[in-house]
Amino acid sequence: KQEVTQIPAALSVPEGENLVLNCSFTDSAIYNLQWFRQDPGKGLTSLLLIQSSQREQTSGRLNASLDKSSGRSTLYIAASQPGDSATYLCAVPTGGSEKLVFGKGTKLTVNP
Amino acid sequence: DAGITQSPRHKVTETGTPVTLRCHQTENHRYMYWYRQDPGHGLRLIHYSYGVKDTDKGEVSDGYSVSRSKTEDFLLTLESATSSQTSVYFCAISGRRVTNYGYTFGSGTRLTVV
Repeated sequence: KQEVTQIPAALSVPEGENLVLNCSFTDSAIYNLQWFRQDPGKGLTSLLLIQSSQREQTSGRLNASLDKSSGRSTLYIAASQPGDSATYLCAVPTGGSEKLVFGKGTKLTVNP
Repeated sequence: DAGITQSPRHKVTETGTPVTLRCHQTENHRYMYWYRQDPGHGLRLIHYSYGVKDTDKGEVSDGYSVSRSKTEDFLLTLESATSSQTSVYFCAISGRRVTNYGYTFGSGTRLTVV
């Protein structure tokens, strides 16, 4: 059974800092991994989708890496801004299917 | 979110009553999903569909049923609502596996059972 863990559960940083969010998964037989952002009271917004054949994916100040063999992904946020404050979730498919299993997320607060 | 809408956005209902939540998509995606999100549990899959009239259970399906009579609509029914079903419900869609579209989520339905 696929399990996803995100560390830390919460993170508070000053504006401008570079930071890394971690995601680990137990079953490395995945074909992609997806990072989402969720603002309070809102739905999930897809940030990055990394295919199993890729090692990195970049969008603006965000960079996500994937190491299937070790069951890990990281989301790097450069030059953080208060607008980056949100909960970040990672998700991977389970059992070779289209069904996603989610981590519980990292709540990020960027202080001005 | 563009291409996927959920209705209603908020609902308060009484224990024991049936409730139906609707998810509508305009993307013609094959796969549709219903998740619930609760503090301490994160997002958990209730039911999913891989085509018209093709549905299957997720990890927390007890007390829920689904129907998909058209590609664009996926309905979630709480047969007899209980307080434990108070939650935020999210619908999601995804394209064909071979092209690995990833998931797109709706804005959610906040359901309160009193």
